[in-house]
Amino acid sequence: AAGVIQSPRHLIKEKRETATLKCYPIPRHDTVYWYQQGPGQDPQFLISFYEKMQSDKGSIPDRFSAQQFSDYHSELNMSSLELGDSALYFCASSSLRFSGRGSYNEQFFGPGTRLTVL
Amino acid sequence: KNEVEQSPQNLTAQEGEFITINCSYSVGISALHWLQQHPGGGIVSLFMLSSGKKKHGRLIATINIQEKHSSLHITASHPRDSAVYICAVMRETSGSRLTFGEGTQLTVNP
Repeated sequence: AAGVIQSPRHLIKEKRETATLKCYPIPRHDTVYWYQQGPGQDPQFLISFYEKMQSDKGSIPDRFSAQQFSDYHSELNMSSLELGDSALYFCASSSLRFSGRGSYNEQFFGPGTRLTVL
Repeated sequence: KNEVEQSPQNLTAQEGEFITINCSYSVGISALHWLQQHPGGGIVSLFMLSSGKKKHGRLIATINIQEKHSSLHITASHPRDSAVYICAVMRETSGSRLTFGEGTQLTVNP
């Protein structure tokens, strides 16, 4: 079965640069979530989108922005990168209507993008 | 105090042993996820529960909403089960976002 796809899998940037992370949800999933997992830490919720609209916002820095496009993929844009932004960034998808995969509203995770800021 | 607490933090078992990982939470929830994270970092959803019990292969998850407690059991453990197991809850008041426990590092020795 198709899973959540994230790209790139690894990204190395310098301080103050920008980065764009992409997430392609499971087909027919309408909701995308972004989580950040720092080294040795629990994942923390950043932001989510339902039907291309922001549905919830967590501890996302003002330097970050995200959107969901008409094909339901999502992009997380990160500017003025700092050393502390180095982390594993997960995208998850779910369906608030019905999905052929999983239970109602169950979240499925992508493999993550490992961002290293030097 | 974290809203989601897991025990034990670390668990070492011999192949074939029955394993239990516990999760307690202090908030009202609409659902609870059990997740598996391998050393490479990828997260796999094992179960989502809102009541009762679910079973998939050698994995069993239970939840007691009144006691705010869930358990993940692994029967006939195998070295390939070695991973971090994470309990994550969907709070009643926070929509669909997940709040994660600190994870349990499981090592199964042959």
